[in-house]
Amino acid sequence: SQQGEEDPQALSIQEGENATMNCSYKTSINNLQWYRQNSGRGLVHLILIRSNEREKHSGRLRVTLDTSKKSSSLLITASRAADTASYFCATDPLGTTDSWGKFQFGAGTQVVVTP
Amino acid sequence: NAGVTQTPKFRVLKTGQSMTLLCAQDMNHEYMYWYRQDPGMGLRLIHYSVGEGTTAKGEVPDGYNVSRLKKQNFLLGLESAAPSQTSVYFCASSYSSKNYGYTFGSGTRLTVV
Repeated sequence: SQQGEEDPQALSIQEGENATMNCSYKTSINNLQWYRQNSGRGLVHLILIRSNEREKHSGRLRVTLDTSKKSSSLLITASRAADTASYFCATDPLGTTDSWGKFQFGAGTQVVVTP
Repeated sequence: NAGVTQTPKFRVLKTGQSMTLLCAQDMNHEYMYWYRQDPGMGLRLIHYSVGEGTTAKGEVPDGYNVSRLKKQNFLLGLESAAPSQTSVYFCASSYSSKNYGYTFGSGTRLTVV
């Protein structure tokens, strides 16, 4: 089952613009993570935000988490052509020991940055 | 430091054939996972391991078996391949189950005809 769902499914922007994508999830979590996947490659971990954190930054990336709304957003500032990729959120569901570390991924947002 | 290495990268199987996908990590990670990625469905967990000698079922385990005889290796087997198993398979590893991200391999694209 997909815990996280990204929105929008696809996003097309020009270099220099900001890109924002959202992730909604259904059950309580330990943390939420964002990954990037370039075409034909594996996923690369971008950032992890814990359930007790509200905002986190890493370079041009800004992630927010609203546990009351069960949602997160990923903002990429001053986008570059190299940011063209699919972006996935993954949630680490809060629960029994059996659920630890079994992240649940959404279907992703496909971002295209044109020069 | 190679990270997570998957072999093979591509494979075409006929229905009913068997094969093994190999995942190797050199980061001394305890946790290892096999996911499959299908269009529009994100990644779905097939099996996972919390340490050498352990395996457990994920969300979509049917038709697959796994083994973790050595800490650095996690093998995914298909005993009798079916067209529904056409997918891209990703292996991932993690240092811990809590608050650590995954390191992914580059994937194996499998086609079953």
